[in-house]
Amino acid sequence: DGGITQSPKYLFRKEGQNVTLSCEQNLNHDAMYWYRQDPGQGLRLIYYSQIVNDFQKGDIAEGYSVSREKKESFPLTVTSAQKNPTAFYLCASSTGGKYQETQYFGPGTRLLVL
Amino acid sequence: RKEVEQDPGPFNVPEGATVAFNCTYSNSASQSFFWYRQDCRKEPKLLMSVYSSGNEDGRFTAQLNRASQYISLLIRDSKLSDSATYLCVVNTQTDSWGKLQFGAGTQVVVTP
Repeated sequence: DGGITQSPKYLFRKEGQNVTLSCEQNLNHDAMYWYRQDPGQGLRLIYYSQIVNDFQKGDIAEGYSVSREKKESFPLTVTSAQKNPTAFYLCASSTGGKYQETQYFGPGTRLLVL
Repeated sequence: RKEVEQDPGPFNVPEGATVAFNCTYSNSASQSFFWYRQDCRKEPKLLMSVYSSGNEDGRFTAQLNRASQYISLLIRDSKLSDSATYLCVVNTQTDSWGKLQFGAGTQVVVTP
């Protein structure tokens, strides 16, 4: 089946620890995205990548880092600099471009701070 | 002012009834509009695109009013399975890519 997978489903972070969220897609999409969702708020864009080996900061990139070494993979690292990391993290992909119509989402990772 | 605003609800709807709600957007240059559905603790999924002339998909009807900068979603003959949060999404296109702006969602609860 084609789709997007994210792992783990739940992740616990200790103070001062970096953690990495995995995102893989087999839809052959060029563009991939990371969003954060907090209760009562819309999805906010953390980072996006339109092509392999290239990525740009979104609206709330501070405290996060990404890499795009393969078309299929777009991991997100939540660093210790992110002071309020508890949230639902969603990865998405699309065909990209100016008129990309639809973003397909993975099932998400819930990050909790211990 | 948020770029995309929605009434958070909840809209409590008896099964079989009709419910409608709107979403306003601030960027008059926005070109593409969508409704996504998000079930509790799940990922958003595309429900339908919204076209200038309005469009219908089964029991769901979407409308776009560019002059007043809002889109609407109407659900007829509501089913229990329609209970979800409906996200309004606007494509704010730049020179090279289309950035999606998400509303916080409108919660719909269909009751027996």
